[in-house]
Amino acid sequence: QLQLVQSGAEVKKPGASVKISCKAFGYTFTTYYIHWVRQAPGQGLEWMMMINPGGGSTTYAQNFQGRVTLTRDTSRSTVYMDLSSLRFEDTAVYFCARALPGTSAFDVWGQGTLVTVSS
Amino acid sequence: ETVMTQSPATLSVSPGDRVTLSCRASQSVNSNLAWYQQKPGQPPRLLIYGASTRATGIPARFSGSGSGTGFTLTISSLQSEDFAIYYCQQYNYWPSLTFGGGTRVEIK
Repeated sequence: QLQLVQSGAEVKKPGASVKISCKAFGYTFTTYYIHWVRQAPGQGLEWMMMINPGGGSTTYAQNFQGRVTLTRDTSRSTVYMDLSSLRFEDTAVYFCARALPGTSAFDVWGQGTLVTVSS
Repeated sequence: ETVMTQSPATLSVSPGDRVTLSCRASQSVNSNLAWYQQKPGQPPRLLIYGASTRATGIPARFSGSGSGTGFTLTISSLQSEDFAIYYCQQYNYWPSLTFGGGTRVEIK
């Protein structure tokens, strides 16, 4: 079945790091770019970054450069997002999403991972 | 950054109504525009990409139009399951993908 399955909710302290996984099922992992989008409580959607699972190249939004790392394990069809130096305002649901070929429109989404930053 | 502005912020409608949602870009995004539907506790669902192409499995009552800076999502006859928040997203400017602030479609 075509789906992206993310790891579970996390609670972290300010300054800590969080690593979220996104595992792909039902399609050829290396064929579709994977993006990450986050949504703060009651707010809209914010694009963060993307990875080409085939070659491993990454692109980050300016807001997150230097604080985030995207990696992938092709043997596990999994992408990992590592966000460091967490702040209270990083509290959000983090989604991974697959992009349609030739576009950055997202046709398959993970279920979301809630990251809560709290002291 | 390309700012995407959606209007109205909230739309109160009745089942069966024809609904038109607007999305405006601060600069031309050509036809690189997508629409999503999001319900509480769920990820967004792709409705339209390329400004007017329905995604797989999307009912024909959803249609998109526009190019450049002005776009419209139309729901021809609103069903009960269509009450949700709708977002537009431009993917013309890389790597600065941006979403609109959303339009909430609620029951009148």
